[in-house]
Amino acid sequence: NAGVTQTPKFQVLKTGQSMTLQCAQDMNHEYMSWYRQDPGMGLRLIHYSVGAGITDQGEVPNGYNVSRSTTEDFPLRLLSAAPSQTSVYFCASSTFSLGGYGYTFGSGTRLTVV
Amino acid sequence: QQQVKQSPQSLIVQKGGIPIINCAYENTAFDYFPWYQQFPGKGPALLIAIRPDVSEKKEGRFTISFNKSAKQFSLHIMDSQPGDSATYFCAASVGEETSGSRLTFGEGTQLTVNP
Repeated sequence: NAGVTQTPKFQVLKTGQSMTLQCAQDMNHEYMSWYRQDPGMGLRLIHYSVGAGITDQGEVPNGYNVSRSTTEDFPLRLLSAAPSQTSVYFCASSTFSLGGYGYTFGSGTRLTVV
Repeated sequence: QQQVKQSPQSLIVQKGGIPIINCAYENTAFDYFPWYQQFPGKGPALLIAIRPDVSEKKEGRFTISFNKSAKQFSLHIMDSQPGDSATYFCAASVGEETSGSRLTFGEGTQLTVNP
């Protein structure tokens, strides 16, 4: 059981470039999310999905796009990278269990935009 | 708008001490309060969680205390060990089975346990 797999682990982009951060889970979880982590700000929700074909915006969605064509995959697209998007990105998946959602996080993608 | 406020930002204790991390929330609709532990270079991992119908929950050396009227909850780590040195995040969500869940995180507390 791999859990939540994120690729790449590290990436450097030039301003204006686009790229896709990959996320895959093998736990058959219906819920998947993308968070960004910045120092002193905790984790902030970018986009989330409650099932294949269904996505919605989180707290900081601008500059990012998502789609969910399968239960397993939830890629995050940066449309035109900006230095403000330098951050560590985490993908997470969850299912409803024991009265709440215990999210399982991937190991993160550290993105630097120069 | 930070809906979950966490303090302190950093905390240093000696081995065997009892670090306490506090969180306060604003949204009274929150009904699920997990704590996550994160080691450097890793993703957060679920540590323990509580729902507001109980005032305390223990799992091993970790205890959550919950005060619904004050809209506050805290994490206590008993007999802390150097291996507990990590960043701890509190979070909150409205957890309905049919509508999914959006976690709102606190800012994080960097805990150092000295030998």
